[in-house]
Amino acid sequence: AQSVSQHNHHVILSEAASLELGCNYSYGGTVNLFWYVQYPGQHLQLLLKYFSGDPLVKGIKGFEAEFIKSKFSFNLRKPSVQWSDTAEYFCAVIGNNNDMRFGAGTRLTVKP
Amino acid sequence: DGGITQSPKYLFRKEGQNVTLSCEQNLNHDAMYWYRQDPGQGLRLIYYSQIVNDFQKGDIAEGYSVSREKKESFPLTVTSAQKNPTAFYLCASNEIGALAKNIQYFGAGTRLSVL
Repeated sequence: AQSVSQHNHHVILSEAASLELGCNYSYGGTVNLFWYVQYPGQHLQLLLKYFSGDPLVKGIKGFEAEFIKSKFSFNLRKPSVQWSDTAEYFCAVIGNNNDMRFGAGTRLTVKP
Repeated sequence: DGGITQSPKYLFRKEGQNVTLSCEQNLNHDAMYWYRQDPGQGLRLIYYSQIVNDFQKGDIAEGYSVSREKKESFPLTVTSAQKNPTAFYLCASNEIGALAKNIQYFGAGTRLSVL
């Protein structure tokens, strides 16, 4: 089965700082890749996804992620974070067997 | 409104007791999943089902059981064999077939605690 590694457990930034959250996966076949976000007290919701085509995908709220196949990576980026981006972020991968795996999550705290 | 409904929101289990968490979806999704969320460990897959009357173990299936008698329902039973059941449990579903439809939708979760 595939697995997902998120390198940072907790990231603390000031507003307007740039963000990059690391995500690496292990799986030999074709994958779909996702970033989900969980705001305090809310459901998990989809931030962005990669299925095929342009490896740079753009999501909601100014987030983007780049799929680098040779590095098995799908890092999440945002040029300038806001206080409202404080949340927990999960990277996920699903392979041909339809079992979705999530990383351990990265908690982002943005200081106003 | 289409979505996933989990119940109850909070559940307490006594030692040696089995408890069942409900998950219902009206999205007409084929696949349903159960995850356990613990601080610092993200979401870990317990069981998943791609079709009625069939399901597969995830990474931490021991101490849990599921059934999929109807497309819209995927209940999870936490048995007495699960020695550390205190966690937040999330149910999810998605369409399958074409990879482009594998976006998962999540329920609001059930928080299980042991008395």
